[in-house]
Amino acid sequence: GAVVSQHPSRVICKSGTSVKIECRSLDFQATTMFWYRQFPKQSLMLMATSNEGSKATYEQGVEKDKFLINHASLTLSTLTVTSAHPEDSSFYICSAILAGGSSGANVLTFGAGSRLTVL
Amino acid sequence: QKEVEQNSGPLSVPEGAIASLNCTYSDRGSQSFFWYRQYSGKSPELIMFIYSNGDKEDGRFTAQLNKASQYVSLLIRDSQPSDSATYLCAVDRGGSQGNLIFGKGTKLSVKP
Repeated sequence: GAVVSQHPSRVICKSGTSVKIECRSLDFQATTMFWYRQFPKQSLMLMATSNEGSKATYEQGVEKDKFLINHASLTLSTLTVTSAHPEDSSFYICSAILAGGSSGANVLTFGAGSRLTVL
Repeated sequence: QKEVEQNSGPLSVPEGAIASLNCTYSDRGSQSFFWYRQYSGKSPELIMFIYSNGDKEDGRFTAQLNKASQYVSLLIRDSQPSDSATYLCAVDRGGSQGNLIFGKGTKLSVKP
């Protein structure tokens, strides 16, 4: 079963509204989670690194006031897209490092993703 | 700018054949190399990772790494139609776990 749970899987909203996406680690604690974004036919791009109990670290070009990240507990990180516009329509995917997974190595494991469509 | 390059494809192979996927990267400081499979509309799932030069085999999959040439590849033996997907090569950013640079992916189509 999935070890990183993401919700909602799909969301459609009107331009100017805010949307919250939740990412939960199941059965393990994730002090760090990562938020990626993928536009159609493009590669995944890291948006920010979410750190439990502290401020997120944003990648260059990502507006921290527009993409609010909260990592209030060891199992939950949220991404809020504020005042969404059509150009924010994308596939947002959270991830966490699963230490020592089935392979025995620390690997990045992705949630199922959230497809945001802003009308 | 640190980059990961892949041929976008599509790569088409007949069922049962070997599919060869290639990737080059620019950051010599990278230490971990990953292959993810992504079905349309879904999030990536890890296929294999490799840290050391040489080959690493896992079932029908073999990852090959050549750090001197900054090249990593994935071979899929006995390709099946269910292997049809986009394969993403990912490289860590200067040894930072979780902070991966992804290629745009190679679309593989396995014809029955």
